[in-house]
Amino acid sequence: GAGVSQSPSNKVTEKGKDVELRCDPISGHTALYWYRQSLGQGLEFLIYFQGNSAPDKSGLPSDRFSAERTGGSVSTLTIQRTQQEDSAVYLCASSWDVTHLNEKLFFGSGTQLSVL
Amino acid sequence: DQQVKQNSPSLSVQEGRISILNCDYTNSMFDYFLWYKKYPAEGPTFLISISSIKDKNEDGRFTVFLNKSAKHLSLHIVPSQPGDSAVYFCAAISFNQGGKLIFGQGTELSVKP
Repeated sequence: GAGVSQSPSNKVTEKGKDVELRCDPISGHTALYWYRQSLGQGLEFLIYFQGNSAPDKSGLPSDRFSAERTGGSVSTLTIQRTQQEDSAVYLCASSWDVTHLNEKLFFGSGTQLSVL
Repeated sequence: DQQVKQNSPSLSVQEGRISILNCDYTNSMFDYFLWYKKYPAEGPTFLISISSIKDKNEDGRFTVFLNKSAKHLSLHIVPSQPGDSAVYFCAAISFNQGGKLIFGQGTELSVKP
């Protein structure tokens, strides 16, 4: 499809395990974002990639969280030693060059992560 | 530090009437503001945007107003339709301070027939 694809759509894991969430952005989009939405909360910025620039990691809540973007395309968000408070919907979004004033993000449907 | 705030978690409106969703921000460096709409189990979708050099942008039933002096923007939907029922997020970006889009907490709109 032509949209942002995220996998898995649902992930249930045990506390202390590591998880990997995948995002396939729209082809040609150079900017990629990760957000999360905890129950009853808004969209919390996690990390942002723009082309070959160093990612903006200012939103990552702890050093258990990391993300990579390989070849300027697919991104993986890794959470190590998961905790119950990590339970949330993790949303990935992509866009054209962020310098375009008509900044629009195209979101995937998200990964619902449940840590038991 | 919540730079973008939506202080009303929910709003209920009768079909055909106007819906007004509000958003306040603290960062005077924001260049661009956007509204996104989110249905359950789906990602947010872009609705309408406005540049900081404008005070109004209209697209069909949707109009966004920006008051820079008050650091306030609002989304007007008129007439409201039951299909508009969703969570609405406002968002802002400062290109000089990096490219990340900052979102508010969202307002859940319910349009009753």
